[in-house]
Amino acid sequence: GQQLNQSPQSMFIQEGEDVSMNCTSSSIFNTWLWYKQDPGEGPVLLIALYKAGELTSNGRLTAQFGITRKDSFLNISASIPSDVGIYFCAGQLYRTSYDKVIFGPGTSLSVIP
Amino acid sequence: NAGVTQTPKFQVLKTGQSMTLQCAQDMNHEYMSWYRQDPGMGLRLIHYSVGAGITDQGEVPNGYNVSRSTTEDFPLRLLSAAPSQTSVYFCASSYGLGAETQYFGPGTRLLVL
Repeated sequence: GQQLNQSPQSMFIQEGEDVSMNCTSSSIFNTWLWYKQDPGEGPVLLIALYKAGELTSNGRLTAQFGITRKDSFLNISASIPSDVGIYFCAGQLYRTSYDKVIFGPGTSLSVIP
Repeated sequence: NAGVTQTPKFQVLKTGQSMTLQCAQDMNHEYMSWYRQDPGMGLRLIHYSVGAGITDQGEVPNGYNVSRSTTEDFPLRLLSAAPSQTSVYFCASSYGLGAETQYFGPGTRLLVL
């Protein structure tokens, strides 16, 4: 089936550093989403992107919808310990059928105080 | 509002046993869904419902049954548990068909021996 690839798989950074991660697909999407999952909890939506080239921020988080519509990027600036968790991307081709949403395997982020 | 609640949080089953994972939402959302999360893989859709009395299969429905008798509840039944069903199960509810409208529960961690 269709898959998303996320890179890197995991990362360990010092508090205060900036973080970059990406999500790639062999197929195009019309919506890209980024979620965060804290340990023992369900995913929480961080940012939704709806147009190729779109750049959207949510506090220290900035995400971009790739021009090719086959990728998306998430940046976190000035990381803090509570940024620890797993970051998932998801793509949706048609917003009339959320059963076609594809989720990536996640990037695990650890922040060293 | 409690949002999306799931019970139990943890469960250990023996192969062949049956059980029901409970999911409830108090947001009056029409749409509900069940996902499983396995290491190294993105969330995969098991079953979903677009309203009371209406259910449909997702990507990995085998071995699971669902029903939707009320708007609030969407239980997932394992008919005869198998070790391959060891996973973390997330229930989600949404007010629309765009993936960004989904709210996830905290998950049920299931181990099948």
